[in-house]
Amino acid sequence: EAGVAQSPRYKIIEKRQSVAFWCNPISGHATLYWYQQILGQGPKLLIQFQNNGVVDDSQLPKDRFSAERLKGVDSTLKIQPAKLEDSAVYLCASSFFTTTDTQYFGPGTRLTVL
Amino acid sequence: DQQVKQNSPSLSVQEGRISILNCDYTNSMFDYFLWYKKYPAEGPTFLISISSIKDKNEDGRFTVFLNKSAKHLSLHIVPSQPGDSAVYFCAARLGGATNKLIFGTGTLLAVQP
Repeated sequence: EAGVAQSPRYKIIEKRQSVAFWCNPISGHATLYWYQQILGQGPKLLIQFQNNGVVDDSQLPKDRFSAERLKGVDSTLKIQPAKLEDSAVYLCASSFFTTTDTQYFGPGTRLTVL
Repeated sequence: DQQVKQNSPSLSVQEGRISILNCDYTNSMFDYFLWYKKYPAEGPTFLISISSIKDKNEDGRFTVFLNKSAKHLSLHIVPSQPGDSAVYFCAARLGGATNKLIFGTGTLLAVQP
């Protein structure tokens, strides 16, 4: 079974530029999560999708971050414009459903904002 | 407001000995607790979990203990192996319709051969 795929693996941009990350969850997984992990901290949930609907985006900075999950499969997370404090690893995870199912994580995208 | 805390940033143990990783939480509404293991340049991988109605769960070399009155859980690895060297994250799940996880800051375990 293929795992969660993410691209790119690394990205370096300057502040005020925009950037987009892509995630392909495990086949058949209805729920998709985007996490932000700042150095020295644990992952923090940014947004959770159930199929193509948003379940929780309470910690997503909506003035600069946006995410979509078209057709309930792949997802993209965008930052526009980026700030220095957005430097982090962005992790995508998926689970079969929502309740007791294990979340499986992708390798992450390491973003550096200069 | 850090609801899940791992107060030890790092831990070093000898191969074959026991590793004990600790985690404290503040929210009584958590219904499940999980441990994830993370190698460099990889995403976290699920290791073991425990329901809030249990006090112990065991899977091979890994055992998780939950003390609800103290709001404390621990992960025991016996015997420790060099391949166990990784960052271990404690996570807690909020009950309800979502599967929202709150993660601790992680503990770097180094198992010395």
